[in-house]
Order: sequence, then structure tokens, then C-alpha cells
Amino acid sequence: GENVEQHPSTLSVQEGDSAVIKCTYSDSASNYFPWYKQELGKRPQLIIDIRSNVGEKKDQRIAVTLNKTAKHFSLHITETQPEDSAVYFCAASRGGGNKLTFGTGTQLKVEL
Amino acid sequence: DTGVSQDPRHKITKRGQNVTFRCDPISEHNRLYWYRQTLGQGPEFLTYFQNEAQLEKSRLLSDRFSAERPKGSFSTLEIQRTEQGDSAMYLCASSLAQGMNTEAFFGQGTRLTVV
Repeated sequence: GENVEQHPSTLSVQEGDSAVIKCTYSDSASNYFPWYKQELGKRPQLIIDIRSNVGEKKDQRIAVTLNKTAKHFSLHITETQPEDSAVYFCAASRGGGNKLTFGTGTQLKVEL
Repeated sequence: DTGVSQDPRHKITKRGQNVTFRCDPISEHNRLYWYRQTLGQGPEFLTYFQNEAQLEKSRLLSDRFSAERPKGSFSTLEIQRTEQGDSAMYLCASSLAQGMNTEAFFGQGTRLTVV
């Protein structure tokens, strides 16, 4: 089955700096890669996703890149703000509504 | 609120008791998923439905766990003879699996504590 590894497990940045979180996956049939943000005690919420037919997607301060050959994808957050502090999870799926396999999460802390 | 709703939000039970959780998905969503999340980990897949059909169960899912979605709308997850290792957050999610549209929306979860 699919295995998703995520690094780092914790990340501390100064407000205004950039943050990068990296994930690798094992199943070459995976074609859908969402990123979820989970604040303490709250539900995971989708912040951005990418499908395997594109290499990069951007939404304001958030971008995701995908390298299918190397089976890795990354989340980039620019101009970080304190409200970006949360746990971020990457996930992989074969798409079409199939199950998600999640990474172990990255605790991002944005310090003032 | 038209999002995914779960009930109860919290459940404390004694070891050996049975518990049942309910999930109401977004109304037009045909797929419903159950995940389990323990502290410091990502959600772990348990099972999912397309309409009323259960399409897949995790191999890690003990036979003490059973899920139903009788009319293709709400779903229930039952855990029989609970063990302390069952303590976790149980998350439900739903999606409209239509072509490439696969975004899954999560509920707030049911936090189970087995004492």
C-alpha cells in the first residue's frame, strides 16, 4: 500500500519568513496530493491540492510543487503570519474519491 | 451548518463497553470515509463507502469495528468491547467523487477515551 513520509516534524520560523514542508510517497499510481491544515482541537481543512498532471500550483501565499519522477511534493508558505501556526499534513491518493494516506504531520510555529 | 457533522463530540467509556458514533456527510456527497487519529499522528484510514456500499476496509481494522451507511446518507461506526488502545479521535469525511473532483471535507471528530 501507499506510504507517505513527511519532514520536518516541527518547524519554527520568524514572522515574514518562508516555510517549506516536504513529503515523499511510494505508490506510483497516486495522482492526487492534498495538504491539510489542522489547528488544535479542530478539523483538518484543505488548503491546497495538486494533481499529477501539473508540476506546481499557487494560491496567494501558498504553493505546492510535485515531482512525479522522484515521488515527492512540497508545500511552500511565503510571508508567514502567526495565524499560519498549526499542524500541516500532506496526503496522497489514487484520486477519484479513493482513500487518503496521510503523512505524520508538521507542527509549524510562526514566531513574532 | 452544511458541513460534515459528527456526534457525539466526546465519549468516555469503560473498557469492554460498546460505543457507536454517527456521521452526517455533506448532503450531496456520495463518498463517506472514516479515519482514526491519535496524538501526534496523521489521520489513518479505516473504511469508506460509496453511497451505501462499503468499498474498502483497512487491514488494520479489527473485527470489533463495524461501519454502516444504510441509506447512503449518514453513517455509524461501532466499536465493540472497547480497549484502551481504541482511545483516539475518530474523524469522518465526505466527498463528491465525480471525475477528478476528489476534495474530502472533514467533520470535527469524535474523541473517544476508554478508561
